[in-house]
Amino acid sequence: EPEVTQTPSHQVTQMGQEVILRCVPISNHLYFYWYRQILGQKVEFLVSFYNNEISEKSEIFDDQFSVERPDGSNFTLKIRSTKLEDSAMYFCASTTDVTGELFFGEGSRLTVL
Amino acid sequence: GQQLNQSPQSMFIQEGEDVSMNCTSSSIFNTWLWYKQDPGEGPVLLIALYKAGELTSNGRLTAQFGITRKDSFLNISASIPSDVGIYFCAGQRGGTSYGKLTFGQGTILTVHP
Repeated sequence: EPEVTQTPSHQVTQMGQEVILRCVPISNHLYFYWYRQILGQKVEFLVSFYNNEISEKSEIFDDQFSVERPDGSNFTLKIRSTKLEDSAMYFCASTTDVTGELFFGEGSRLTVL
Repeated sequence: GQQLNQSPQSMFIQEGEDVSMNCTSSSIFNTWLWYKQDPGEGPVLLIALYKAGELTSNGRLTAQFGITRKDSFLNISASIPSDVGIYFCAGQRGGTSYGKLTFGQGTILTVHP
């Protein structure tokens, strides 16, 4: 069964460093998303991406965050200068239509020291 | 932003018992979804609901989209140990916000054999 894959599964970084989280969405999907989940809390929307541009972003997704689909298969989330509060599980998701039935990856755990 | 209140926060039940959890919102959603999250993994879609009043089943799971479009419930019948996990409701407003899901805080389900 097709699935969303994410790398790395866990990344530890120093505050102020740049981090890139990578995702390979399901191949025929057109809509891509990043969500995050701080430990023990609910899943929160960060950004949606369609037709090579951001469709919508949340207040969390400030100037330190960016997304890119560089080659038609990968979908990346970059955090330019990480802060302690960026520590969370980051989930990539994709879907083929507008039903809201998102398929999530297994997540990338980011720990900022 | 929109908030979903999910209850209960946690449940401890015996194998074979039925389970019920629900979500309420102060604002309307056009789609309600229920996801399950196992430890260290991403949310997995269980049921999606698209119309007010809709009642949908998926095996032992049954979910309903409230008439007011501000609430939804999920029932699990005859629970088994593998039902253990965190269950999240999620709402989608629709319009231009496809895939922008608002998640509830989650219900932690523990099933004792």
